[in-house]
Parts: sequence; C-alpha cells; structure tokens
Amino acid sequence: TQLLEQSPQFLSIQEGENLTVYCNSSSVFSSLQWYRQEPGEGPVLLVTVVTGGEVKKLKRLTFQFGDARKDSSLHITAAQPGDTGLYLCGSRLTFGEGTQLTVNP
Amino acid sequence: EPEVTQTPSHQVTQMGQEVILRCVPISNHLYFYWYRQILGQKVEFLVSFYNNEISEKSEIFDDQFSVERPDGSNFTLKIRSTKLEDSAMYFCASSGLRDTGIYGYTFGSGTRLTVV
Repeated sequence: TQLLEQSPQFLSIQEGENLTVYCNSSSVFSSLQWYRQEPGEGPVLLVTVVTGGEVKKLKRLTFQFGDARKDSSLHITAAQPGDTGLYLCGSRLTFGEGTQLTVNP
Repeated sequence: EPEVTQTPSHQVTQMGQEVILRCVPISNHLYFYWYRQILGQKVEFLVSFYNNEISEKSEIFDDQFSVERPDGSNFTLKIRSTKLEDSAMYFCASSGLRDTGIYGYTFGSGTRLTVV
C-alpha cells in the first residue's frame, strides 16, 4: 500500500514569511498532485509533477518532485492571508493527511 | 472552466437505506473516480471507472458499493444498505486522456452523506 506522509500537519506563520510543506513516501510514484482544499469543498488541483527532479512554479508557489519520485515539496514565498487553507499531496490512489496553513496578517 | 457537478450537496438517510450519489464529470474526460473523506480524516480512494467498467477499487469498496454510468453524462455511486460509518463527504473526480494523473484530476464539490 502506498502511503504519503505530509509534514508539518499544522503551520501558522506571519504574512510575508516563507514556508515549505513536505510530502514523503517510501514508494515511487509516476506522478504526484498538489491540491488546496477549503472546508466543505472538494480538493482543487494546483499542480501535477511527473518527472524526477522536476520544479514547477505557480506565482509564489514552487513545487518540487524528488529525483527518485518518492517525495515532493511545496514552497510558498512571501505568504499572504489568502494562502490560508489545507494543502494536500496525492496520487490517484492515496492522499496525504494534509497541511493546514494559517497565514496571519 | 469545466467542472464536475455532484448532487445532492447533502443527503441524510436512515441506516439500512439505499442511497445514490450522482456526478456529472467533465464532458471529454474518460476516467472517473469516487473518493470519500470522513470528517477530519484524509481523502480515501474508493473506485476508478473507465470504458464502462471498474478499473481499480480499494478495500473500502465492498459489495455494498456499486458504480454505474447509466448514460453518456452521469456517473453514480450506490450504497445498498448504509451504515453509520458510511457518513462522510463523497467526492467524484474525472481526468482526461490518461489515467496517470499527468493531466490532473478535477474534483466535484462533494456530497455530504449523513447516516442516522
């Protein structure tokens, strides 16, 4: 069974700070997705990473896929209150527990 | 932007009753999925569906569950005899040409199922 472990589980920072969320596994994935989920809503896809070592940027968000395709990270630069939410990594069959990010003004 | 539509948004049912959750995937998508999320827990895969048959299912997807694509647009999840532990958000998702996630998955807003 493929498992994805996300860390940290909770993260509370001040506006303007940088942060990194990690998604780790002992399994190899053909691709990983990052989502953002609001309370009572479905996950909204942010990015898909496919190639080992891949880096994708989405404005202030930078996503990396590990060389061995077992781990991924999400880095947010200069976080804003609008970034507050639950960030999930996942594949077709499995999801991480999520990181609940709170950005305080 | 194309979206996955789920109905109803909330359903309350008595234990032992049958429920059907409905989804309209994105029109040119070929792969369809059901996931569930128990309150406060992570998203769990239930089943994937392609070419009018189940392509993969999890241990959760036992004989109480079934899926169907009754016409060209709807995709349904049926729970035959609901149990209290079936209470959860159920999400439908669809993906494009390949079932490898390269094109990503689009999720619906979910149906909150409450079994009393």
